[in-house]
Amino acid sequence: EPEVTQTPSHQVTQMGQEVILRCVPISNHLYFYWYRQILGQKVEFLVSFYNNEISEKSEIFDDQFSVERPDGSNFTLKIRSTKLEDSAMYFCASLAETNTGELFFGEGSRLTVL
Amino acid sequence: AQKVTQAQTEISVVEKEDVTLDCVYETRDTTYYLFWYKQPPSGELVFLIRRNSFDEQNEISGRYSWNFQKSTSSFNFTITASQVVDSAVYFCALMGGGANSKLTFGKGITLSVRP
Repeated sequence: EPEVTQTPSHQVTQMGQEVILRCVPISNHLYFYWYRQILGQKVEFLVSFYNNEISEKSEIFDDQFSVERPDGSNFTLKIRSTKLEDSAMYFCASLAETNTGELFFGEGSRLTVL
Repeated sequence: AQKVTQAQTEISVVEKEDVTLDCVYETRDTTYYLFWYKQPPSGELVFLIRRNSFDEQNEISGRYSWNFQKSTSSFNFTITASQVVDSAVYFCALMGGGANSKLTFGKGITLSVRP
């Protein structure tokens, strides 16, 4: 069965450092997403990406965040200068096409900022 | 705007009891999708079910069943004969149709099943 893979599964970093979280979506999917879940809270939408550009972003997704799909395979989330409050689980998801509901999540990357 | 309300925050039951997790949603889309996910302590999101807005047929999968009612904008989830392994956080989520394809989650319900 196809799956979304994320690396690393857990990353610990110092405040102010740059972090890149990587995702490999399902190969024929067209829409890609990042979600964030602070410990004990709900899963929140960060950004959606389609046709090599951001299609929607939430107010959480400020200038410290960026996404790209550099090689047509990986979909990355970069946090330029991490803050303590960036500590969370980050989930990547991909969708085959709209109006199918065929959305799949990766297993998540846990980021701990010290 | 889309919204998902899971009014229950924590539920505790004894093993073998039946338990129903409630979910109420709001959307203006005529086409939309409803999901339930299970999040065990390990943290991953385990997909349980997807239901599209045109399919109001209730579904049963083993001990799990779902009751979708458009008239009340609800998509409730029942676990029959609960087991300790059912202990987890359960999220209901809504995806709109067309360009509005992001998933909106409820706050989640923490289910504890005691032996």
